[in-house]
Amino acid sequence: QQQVKQSPQSLIVQKGGISIINCAYENTAFDYFPWYQQFPGKGPALLIAIRPDVSEKKEGRFTISFNKSAKQFSLHIMDSQPGDSATYFCAATFGGFKTIFGAGTRLFVKA
Amino acid sequence: GAVVSQHPSRVICKSGTSVKIECRSLDFQATTMFWYRQFPKQSLMLMATSNEGSKATYEQGVEKDKFLINHASLTLSTLTVTSAHPEDSSFYICSAPTGGNQETQYFGPGTRLLVL
Repeated sequence: QQQVKQSPQSLIVQKGGISIINCAYENTAFDYFPWYQQFPGKGPALLIAIRPDVSEKKEGRFTISFNKSAKQFSLHIMDSQPGDSATYFCAATFGGFKTIFGAGTRLFVKA
Repeated sequence: GAVVSQHPSRVICKSGTSVKIECRSLDFQATTMFWYRQFPKQSLMLMATSNEGSKATYEQGVEKDKFLINHASLTLSTLTVTSAHPEDSSFYICSAPTGGNQETQYFGPGTRLLVL
C-alpha cells in the first residue's frame, strides 16, 4: 500500500516533443506528490509538486496532471530538450512522513 | 531553495575500514534527515531516518550496527559505514525536509563510496 508505481522505465523522445511519465499510488493518505530530477552522479532535485486538491499544475515546460479518483498522476515535459535528459522520480508523502519514491524513468531526448 | 551539502563527494577505502559521510543543511535547521542508498540505474532506497537528539530509525533489513547514524546538531547528520566491504560500494545520498509540512525533500549531492 506504500508503493508508488512509475512507468515507463525508460523513454526516448525527439527534441521538441512531449515527454510523459506516469505514476500510480494506493495510499489515499498521501497528500503531497513531488517530482524529482536527477542527473548522473548528482543528488535528486525537486522539479515540481502538486497536492490532491488540484488537478493540474504548470511551471514553465513542466506540467503535473493529477487524477485523484484514479490515484494517478503524471509529468508532462513540453518542448523536450536534450538538457532534460535525466532520470525522473515521482514520489508521494504525507504529513512529513518519509517520502516514497517511484522506480524512476530514464529520459533521453534526441537532438 | 534550501541547500544540503555532503562530504566527501567520493571516497575510496580498503575493505575493513570505516568511512564517515557528513550531511549538512546549510541555510536551514533540520531536526530530521534521511539517508538513502542508490545502486546504478535504480531508485533511492531509504536506509534510515536521522533524528536530532535521539536514535535513528532504521528501515527493515538495514543493519544499524553497520550503518551508524549520528545527528549531533540541527544542521549535521553523519553516516558511518563500519568495517566496509565491497558490497557496501554504492552512492549514498542524504536529504532534509523543509517547508511548513516538512514534505519537500532537499537532497545532498551524494557520496560515491568504493570499497576495494
